[in-house]
Amino acid sequence: GAVVSQHPSWVICKSGTSVKIECRSLDFQATTMFWYRQFPKQSLMLMATSNEGSKATYEQGVEKDKFLINHASLTLSTLTVTSAHPEDSSFYICSARDHSDYEQYFGPGTRLTVT
Amino acid sequence: GQNIDQPTEMTATEGAIVQINCTYQTSGFNGLFWYQQHAGEAPTFLSYNVLDGLEEKGRFSSFLSRSKGYSYLLLKELQMKDSASYLCAAMDSNYQLIWGAGTKLIIKP
Repeated sequence: GAVVSQHPSWVICKSGTSVKIECRSLDFQATTMFWYRQFPKQSLMLMATSNEGSKATYEQGVEKDKFLINHASLTLSTLTVTSAHPEDSSFYICSARDHSDYEQYFGPGTRLTVT
Repeated sequence: GQNIDQPTEMTATEGAIVQINCTYQTSGFNGLFWYQQHAGEAPTFLSYNVLDGLEEKGRFSSFLSRSKGYSYLLLKELQMKDSASYLCAAMDSNYQLIWGAGTKLIIKP
């Protein structure tokens, strides 16, 4: 149990375009979802935390107008990278947690390349 | 401030035992997680400790000392597939995970 999916698994886009990444909890209700970014050979960097039905809480230094997060249901959160630039190229990973468990269940990640 | 320290890289031999240490400083504490991450993949859960002591799960064991702000992950009977990064993460009083930079474990035949 506790499966989290992400779509797409990889995406290549042109500079200036927007990209949407979906994160779904398949067999549990995710009251909280987390979005991370990971650059090569570096650890996970938390970008934002979102609770279902409320606005996301962004970490310091993360532009909320550039990285739009929507958590409209208990099984789906989306991250939209707006006006993407090459420096946004990274591995984006979501994780989800239900109200009764402290463990975060990770999605498989989305590799974004901006050309 | 909040901080997690773990070694950057370790090397061990197939069949041997390796211990990866982690020290943490957080605002409040609600447990210590260990995750395994293979290159290009998302982390996978290994263990969670909130009470002092050793938790054993097959070839992997995790230890916690809350008074010392210290944990270790012990891997026995190392296999080549254990080559990965091992991430230590402490949960603070807001139930947020504070992540270490990860320890890259290299297994040699």
